[in-house]
Amino acid sequence: DTAVSQTPKYLVTQMGNDKSIKCEQNLGHDTMYWYKQDSKKFLKIMFSYNNKELIINETVPNRFSPKSPDKAHLNLHINSLELGDSAVYFCASSLWVANEQFFGPGTRLTVL
Amino acid sequence: ELKVEQNPLFLSMQEGKNYTIYCNYSTTSDRLYWYRQDPGKSLESLFVLLSNGAVKQEGRLMASLDTKARLSTLHITAAVHDLSATYFCAVGKETSGSRLTFGEGTQLTVNP
Repeated sequence: DTAVSQTPKYLVTQMGNDKSIKCEQNLGHDTMYWYKQDSKKFLKIMFSYNNKELIINETVPNRFSPKSPDKAHLNLHINSLELGDSAVYFCASSLWVANEQFFGPGTRLTVL
Repeated sequence: ELKVEQNPLFLSMQEGKNYTIYCNYSTTSDRLYWYRQDPGKSLESLFVLLSNGAVKQEGRLMASLDTKARLSTLHITAAVHDLSATYFCAVGKETSGSRLTFGEGTQLTVNP
C-alpha cells in the first residue's frame, strides 16, 4: 500500500555513466515532483509535472531529463553523471499544484 | 525570490523541556508546511497551515502561522527522545504554482 515509491533505493555508479530513477504514486495525484537533497540536507526542487505536463523546470543541468509517461509515474534520467550529482533524490506528489506534497523514500545516488 | 530561514539549525535539548523552532520567510505566502525527516528516511508531513493565525497541534508539537510577520513556529512541549529528527518548514505561493521553498532544516536532538 506504498503511496509514493522510488527505485532503486541506492545507486552507485561511475562518473560518465547514464542512469535512471523511477517514481510511481498510487494516490491518484495529478502533480509530481523531483527534489535533490544535498549532503547538508538542503532540499531543492528540480522539476514538477502536472498531468504529464512540465510546469517547473528549475536551473538544473540539461543532463537531467524528467519523463512522465502517465500522471502516476515520473522518472528521472541523468546523463554523463558527475561527482557533484551525488545526493539523495526524492520524488513527491500532490493532489493538485497547491496541495500538500507526499514524499517517496528517496534514492541515494553515489557517483564515484 | 522567496527565501526561507529556520533557526536554530541545531538544537540539543533535554527530555521534558520546551522549545520553539522558528521559520521566517521573505515574501507573502499562502501556505506553509512542516515536515519531519528521520536520518536516512523520507520526509513526513506534520502540519499544513493555510491562513493567518492558524494553529495546529499533534501530540507534543504545535505549529502556528503569522502571515503578517511572515513567521511560523513549531513549539515542542515536554520533549521526548522520539522527537529527535530534522524538522523542515516549506513555504509555497499559489502564483508560483506547485513550487515549495524549503528552509535549511533544524536538527533536533533530545537527550535523556
